[in-house]
Amino acid sequence: AQKITQTQPGMFVQEKEAVTLDCTYDTSDPSYGLFWYKQPSSGEMIFLIYQGSYDQQNATEGRYSLNFQKARKSANLVISASQLGDSAMYFCAMTLINTGNQFYFGTGTSLTVIP
Amino acid sequence: GAVVSQHPSWVICKSGTSVKIECRSLDFQATTMFWYRQFPKQSLMLMATSNEGSKATYEQGVEKDKFLINHASLTLSTLTVTSAHPEDSSFYICSARDLTGRSYEQYFGPGTRLTVT
Repeated sequence: AQKITQTQPGMFVQEKEAVTLDCTYDTSDPSYGLFWYKQPSSGEMIFLIYQGSYDQQNATEGRYSLNFQKARKSANLVISASQLGDSAMYFCAMTLINTGNQFYFGTGTSLTVIP
Repeated sequence: GAVVSQHPSWVICKSGTSVKIECRSLDFQATTMFWYRQFPKQSLMLMATSNEGSKATYEQGVEKDKFLINHASLTLSTLTVTSAHPEDSSFYICSARDLTGRSYEQYFGPGTRLTVT
């Protein structure tokens, strides 16, 4: 069975500082993809970053980077230079590449950026 | 990027009535669409997987007679909440897979907020 765990229900970060949101996953399938989504209060799911299980390098997208530690089964999101607009819920998700079907979501982390 | 729309964005209905929510892929074809439900301050829970031209696959615990899903074309899937009750009030989000894209990519709609009074 697949499982995503986010252990931080809420996080606070000072504006312009960096913050790490934790995510661990569990699967026995060797081919998987890991995603991070941002969900502001409006409810839309905004794609942030993707990491494939066979990718050798950690993914980066602008201020977002994914710290992928395969042996530890962790895929932490690092947001650099936090902005007030980063305040939102953040979800880690996983899908199995070969089946390409459902997403498995974590419980989410609520991030608040303090001015 | 690929765009998925949902209609309506919010709806209020009376208990006992039915509500239909549409999910459309605007600039790509989607053989598979997914329907999620999200309660306040909780994660997204997959309700069902909708495949074009065939019956939807429902997750355990989801009543298929209550949540009717129809995926009649490659760009449209609908979710009908039948005989809605206040406990069905939730945020419903659909997502779609792009036929031509990477098999694991999904694009999310903006969601529909349902309130049953």
